[in-house]
Amino acid sequence: EDQVTQSPEALRLQEGESSSLNCSYTVSGLRGLFWYRQDPGKGPEFLFTLYSAGEEKEKERLKATLTKKESFLHITAPKPEDSATYLCAVQAFNDKIIFGKGTRLHILP
Amino acid sequence: KAGVTQTPRYLIKTRGQQVTLSCSPISGHRSVSWYQQTPGQGLQFLFEYFSETQRNKGNFPGRFSGRQFSNSRSEMNVSTLELGDSALYLCASRHLGQGNEQYFGPGTRLTVT
Repeated sequence: EDQVTQSPEALRLQEGESSSLNCSYTVSGLRGLFWYRQDPGKGPEFLFTLYSAGEEKEKERLKATLTKKESFLHITAPKPEDSATYLCAVQAFNDKIIFGKGTRLHILP
Repeated sequence: KAGVTQTPRYLIKTRGQQVTLSCSPISGHRSVSWYQQTPGQGLQFLFEYFSETQRNKGNFPGRFSGRQFSNSRSEMNVSTLELGDSALYLCASRHLGQGNEQYFGPGTRLTVT
């Protein structure tokens, strides 16, 4: 069964303290892996798409990486405005998209 | 380009009633998907429509249905509402074959009492 697991469920960091969020997946053929950011009361906002193992994408303080079994979202020197829930989703060859439950990130000033 | 819009933003309904939610995708996007988001279950896929046809369907009961119009706007309907249907309902559109990333609307917060 296709599955996406994100860890940790929640993470509290001090401002400037770098860390990584994990997204492990099992899927019958990966077409793409997506990262989203969701603020309270809003819809998810698209961040990155990764297609193949070894691929990396960067945007400001965020960098996403992909292996054959998992993806990491690295956050470098985070600021309080980076606080949000980060969601990972995978698209299988049958075109179905499965979301993980997310990691709630809180950056303390 | 205007983003995905959803109406209404908030709804309060009583058990047993039915509800219809509306979604307008980004201009040029012909795929529209619907999700239910709850604190315990996260984002759960309901269904996807493309060119007025349902492409994929999640594991929800038949009380949940949808449709898409020729202008790509979509509606979802929930009949015989239950307390457990209280959730944030999100609509997402995408341009099939071009990146495939989805763009989400702000959601409709449904409360069933």
